[in-house]
Amino acid sequence: DSGVTQTPKHLITATGQRVTLRCSPRSGDLSVYWYQQSLDQGLQFLIQYYNGEERAKGNILERFSAQQFPDLHSELNLSSLELGDSALYFCASSALSGSTDTQYFGPGTRLTVL
Amino acid sequence: GENVEQHPSTLSVQEGDSAVIKCTYSDSASNYFPWYKQELGKGPQLIIDIRSNVGEKKDQRIAVTLNKTAKHFSLHITETQPEDSAVYFCAAAGGNDMRFGAGTRLTVKP
Repeated sequence: DSGVTQTPKHLITATGQRVTLRCSPRSGDLSVYWYQQSLDQGLQFLIQYYNGEERAKGNILERFSAQQFPDLHSELNLSSLELGDSALYFCASSALSGSTDTQYFGPGTRLTVL
Repeated sequence: GENVEQHPSTLSVQEGDSAVIKCTYSDSASNYFPWYKQELGKGPQLIIDIRSNVGEKKDQRIAVTLNKTAKHFSLHITETQPEDSAVYFCAAAGGNDMRFGAGTRLTVKP
């Protein structure tokens, strides 16, 4: 158990809908990262937050947004969902904000868009 | 930016044999190289990492070697067991971000 929690574990929704994925980092970690993993694909970095502020942005679509709250938990919002958004979404956390900080991954949320 | 190439994409070995997975990177500023194991239905789990001030690190049956001159690093698993079957990801970090390889699906046959 990495100490990173994600909810929900599974999410099934329809095209055009909006969903929110939630992540709680390990105790004491200030950075949260979001990744997308499509079927048999690698990990695509979406976005990083550090202590409430956006730190780095990857291949995140404009339909997607995220935020990190004062208690350091983070939410990833996916809107106008398309079939191609079906994937595993992972959250990771690290102690600080540097790229060389060890990242610990949560168990993921499996999103299915029908 | 960083590109991380990982080979092979699939690897099948007999129980007890060794497995080697190789990664190359392009950014000479990279100085941190973690390896993750992802079992079916679970998140990636850090199994070993190495920083650029060392050339090799070992933890029981798992070892990682780093050649900074050639910009490649490798994961070595000895005495493989069926429970080692999973997808393994390498990553390289330094500078602006951490980039992941595409993964290697390791199957250990009993």
